[in-house]
Amino acid sequence: GQQVMQIPQYQHVQEGEDFTTYCNSSTTLSNIQWYKQRPGGHPVFLIQLVKSGEVKKQKRLTFQFGEAKKNSSLHITATQTTDVGTYFCAGTSGNTPLVFGKGTRLSVIA
Amino acid sequence: DAMVIQNPRYQVTQFGKPVTLSCSQTLNHNVMYWYQQKSSQAPKLLFHYYDKDFNNEADTPDNFQSRRPNTSFCFLDIRSPGLGDAAMYLCATTLTGFGNEKLFFGSGTQLSVL
Repeated sequence: GQQVMQIPQYQHVQEGEDFTTYCNSSTTLSNIQWYKQRPGGHPVFLIQLVKSGEVKKQKRLTFQFGEAKKNSSLHITATQTTDVGTYFCAGTSGNTPLVFGKGTRLSVIA
Repeated sequence: DAMVIQNPRYQVTQFGKPVTLSCSQTLNHNVMYWYQQKSSQAPKLLFHYYDKDFNNEADTPDNFQSRRPNTSFCFLDIRSPGLGDAAMYLCATTLTGFGNEKLFFGSGTQLSVL
């Protein structure tokens, strides 16, 4: 079945440093979504990427979808303490439920 | 403004004692999902309803059942909870179930099994 791998599992950064998490799929994806889960909270949708090579920005967050539509990344510039949480990618190859990666837990040291 | 509501927020049950978790939605979405999330792990899909059509994931244990009496409500029944079933249970919805839709999650129910 479809698998979505995500690395790293944990990332500790000093406030102001950059952060990147990477996502790889075993199959070509029709789209990929990114979610953020704060400690003790539930996943909240951030963004969806659909097109090959697509790049989208949300303030300090930059999302990329690979040319082959099998990988994606989330980059945060100049992290802040409010960025703390676990970031999940989730993808699908068609009209099937999303498959989640294991997530990257981000800690930001002030 | 809450759109996907889960009750209770915390649930404690005893080993082997049946427990029911509830989810309601005000979005009028066709699809409702139940995910199990253990500490530091990804949400794992247990099953979903497309309208009244039930779709079980192949690796979901028989111990887990679900009911959807109407569009707004969906229940997760754990017939005989074991210690390994302690987890956060997340309910989510989408409008049509197509893979390009975002999931709206409830706040989850944290289940403890004593």
